[in-house]
Order: sequence, then C-alpha cells, then structure tokens
Amino acid sequence: EAGVAQSPRYKIIEKRQSVAFWCNPISGHATLYWYQQILGQGPKLLIQFQNNGVVDDSQLPKDRFSAERLKGVDSTLKIQPAKLEDSAVYLCASSWRQGGSPLHFGNGTRLTVT
Amino acid sequence: TQLLEQSPQFLSIQEGENLTVYCNSSSVFSSLQWYRQEPGEGPVLLVTVVTGGEVKKLKRLTFQFGDARKDSSLHITAAQPGDTGLYLCAGLFGNEKLTFGTGTRLTIIP
Repeated sequence: EAGVAQSPRYKIIEKRQSVAFWCNPISGHATLYWYQQILGQGPKLLIQFQNNGVVDDSQLPKDRFSAERLKGVDSTLKIQPAKLEDSAVYLCASSWRQGGSPLHFGNGTRLTVT
Repeated sequence: TQLLEQSPQFLSIQEGENLTVYCNSSSVFSSLQWYRQEPGEGPVLLVTVVTGGEVKKLKRLTFQFGDARKDSSLHITAAQPGDTGLYLCAGLFGNEKLTFGTGTRLTIIP
C-alpha cells in the first residue's frame, strides 16, 4: 500500500511570511494527525482529524496556524505569519481509527524560518 | 497534559554491547507503542504493548510493559549500527489521546 505522502520536503521562508504543507494519508484511514517535531525531540500533536472533523486542536497556536481536511482525505496545514520558533519538522500521520491504532507517518516537511 | 519522560536522552555505545531505554509516566497507560525514527524520515512503529507485565520480543529487541502500566523499557541485545536512530515511546491514556515521549537518540559505533 502507498504510504503517507507529504510535500514539500523542505521549505525556507523569512519570518512573517506564510507557508502551507500538504498531506495525503493512506487510503481508507479515517484519522489524520499533524505533529510538530523540534530537532531531537518527540513529536507534539498540533491537530487531529477524524474524517473531516477536528477531534483535538488544543495545542494548535490558532492565532497563526490553521488546518483543514476537506472531504475527509487530503489535509493542509498553514502558518501565517511564521515566527523563528516555528522552525521544525512537520509530520503528518494517519491511522485506521482513533485510539490505539498504529500511526503511519510521512517523511515530514522540514521548515526553516530565517 | 500527560508527560512521558524517556531516559537516557542520548546514548552512544559500541557495536555488540547491550542497552536499555526507559519510558516513564505518572499516569496509567491504556497501551504503549514504541517507534524508531531515522534521519529524514517519519517514525516507524516497532511494537504495541497492552497488558501490564507484558513482554514482547522483536529479534534482538525486547519490550516490557510495567505491571502498573506506568512505565516501559526497550532492551537491545548485541547492538548493531543499523539500530542507530531516535527511539520514541508513545502512550495512550484513558482519554484516547496518544502522547509521545521525549525521545532517546541512540548511536551505535562500529
């Protein structure tokens, strides 16, 4: 089966600019996650979707971050305006369902904000 | 917010040695997953443990879930350079939210 696809792989922007990341989950996976991973640390959940509804966005900085999952398949994560501290790898993951289902991750987008 | 502490944070050992990585929480897990992440890639699931006291083996890797389901360990026997990576535990708590640990970066020196 095809894995989780993410693009772009790398992005360099200046602070106060905007950026968008795209994710295509594994076909049939109802749950989609966006994680932020600072270098060498564990991933931090930004937002979790069940189909096209938001399950958890408690750690999403809503003044600058937004995400959507139209039609319950692909998802986009946007940052506007970006700050230096947003430099990180943004990982998308999908799972068959919520709860204990294993997560399948994409290879991430490495964002550098200068 | 539940916290999962992993120790050690960094570990560098010679090929052929044994090692243990720990994952601890003050809260009870419903289940716990272990992932390994290599540079430039996303984490990949190694194992899921569900029952307190459970032990699972994956070739040279042995995973143990604590009796009280608040901690877990990963033991690697005769480490090889291919074991190098970031090891992450992820705990599922009663609210069905999966929380990742702080990570252990393992380097195996040939």
